[in-house]
Amino acid sequence: NAGVTQTPKFQVLKTGQSMTLQCAQDMNHEYMSWYRQDPGMGLRLIHYSVGAGITDQGEVPNGYNVSRSTTEDFPLRLLSAAPSQTSVYFCASRRTGVNQPQHFGDGTRLSIL
Amino acid sequence: DAKTTQPPSMDCAEGRAANLPCNHSTISGNEYVYWYRQIHSQGPQYIIHGLKNNETNEMASLIITEDRKSSTLILPHATLRDTAVYYCIVLYSGAGSYQLTFGKGTKLSVIP
Repeated sequence: NAGVTQTPKFQVLKTGQSMTLQCAQDMNHEYMSWYRQDPGMGLRLIHYSVGAGITDQGEVPNGYNVSRSTTEDFPLRLLSAAPSQTSVYFCASRRTGVNQPQHFGDGTRLSIL
Repeated sequence: DAKTTQPPSMDCAEGRAANLPCNHSTISGNEYVYWYRQIHSQGPQYIIHGLKNNETNEMASLIITEDRKSSTLILPHATLRDTAVYYCIVLYSGAGSYQLTFGKGTKLSVIP
């Protein structure tokens, strides 16, 4: 069972470069979200989507863009990478409805030099 | 969301039951208790959640006290692969967005 798949697993960028982190889920979940995890900071919500064509900002959206053209895919774009965006990025999905648990991918480890 | 308190670390012998406690004395009536874990270098993994009744699934059991102020996650036969940081989270998650906030959790070490 694939669940939530994130690519790439590792990436090194130079300051100012752009890239897209891919996230795909095969569970037909309506809700998808992106988190970043930094040492001592826990998980912080970047952007989320409650369905295709609908996205919204989380706690730390600056510097990131998202789109949701299909139920399965929820890519995260860094338009101009900055060293402060060095982090581990996790994508998660869940069913809509109350008290539905989130299912996470294995993360993308991003370093920006 | 209610605050939770967990011991920072625990050891468990392989094959024995691992009992991980969590205190959540300020839990509200509609808040659920969730457990996640994070194995080194992997994404957080959902384990189980419950409101007030005890719950069991293929991974674990969740025991919630009658006053709902504490709970225990039970891994019935711990294996080395269960070595991870375990997070107890209390929240009401509506149909829209909710942010999972992980505290420091309990680092469980399963010992051969």
